[in-house]
Amino acid sequence: NAGVTQTPKFRILKIGQSMTLQCTQDMNHNYMYWYRQDPGMGLKLIYYSVGAGITDKGEVPNGYNVSRSTTEDFPLRLELAAPSQTSVYFCASSLGLRGSNTEAFFGQGTRLTVV
Amino acid sequence: DQQVKQNSPSLSVQEGRISILNCDYTNSMFDYFLWYKKYPAEGPTFLISISSIKDKNEDGRFTVFLNKSAKHLSLHIVPSQPGDSAVYFCAASGFSGGYNKLIFGAGTRLAVHP
Repeated sequence: NAGVTQTPKFRILKIGQSMTLQCTQDMNHNYMYWYRQDPGMGLKLIYYSVGAGITDKGEVPNGYNVSRSTTEDFPLRLELAAPSQTSVYFCASSLGLRGSNTEAFFGQGTRLTVV
Repeated sequence: DQQVKQNSPSLSVQEGRISILNCDYTNSMFDYFLWYKKYPAEGPTFLISISSIKDKNEDGRFTVFLNKSAKHLSLHIVPSQPGDSAVYFCAASGFSGGYNKLIFGAGTRLAVHP
């Protein structure tokens, strides 16, 4: 029972490089999210998706892009990495966003350092 | 603009005693509240939740209390155990800023010592 799987677990990027953080879930959840966690700042929503083909911006979307071509996968793309994007990134999924469907399942995180 | 606030970054409690973690929110549209627990190098895991139509929900050693008029919720852990040492995030869901979303607080690091 894999749940939410993120790859890679760690990555070091140089300024200006690009990369894609992969996320896949096997729970057939419609809702998927990307959060970043900065020290002492909690989890900030970057992008979210309510189903295949539908994505929308969260609180901190600048510098990122997403796509949702299937229910299972929700990759996060960094086009021009900047030091401000050094953070721990979490992918999550849930059945919905009302009531008990809000319970989100998280991946183990990707620790990204931009130098 | 922090809509979910956990004002205590850390809490230290003796094993066997009660741990009380607090959370305040500002958006009256939030109607469901959750607590997540996070160990180092792992993703957050769901712990307990409460709907805005209730004022208390209990699950074993964990109880969440909701005071809607004060926009305040708290998580009680009784008795506290060393394995409870982790970062606890409060989260709220509801309609905010144009869409339904799940907003997290900054977290409280709980240390339970023998």
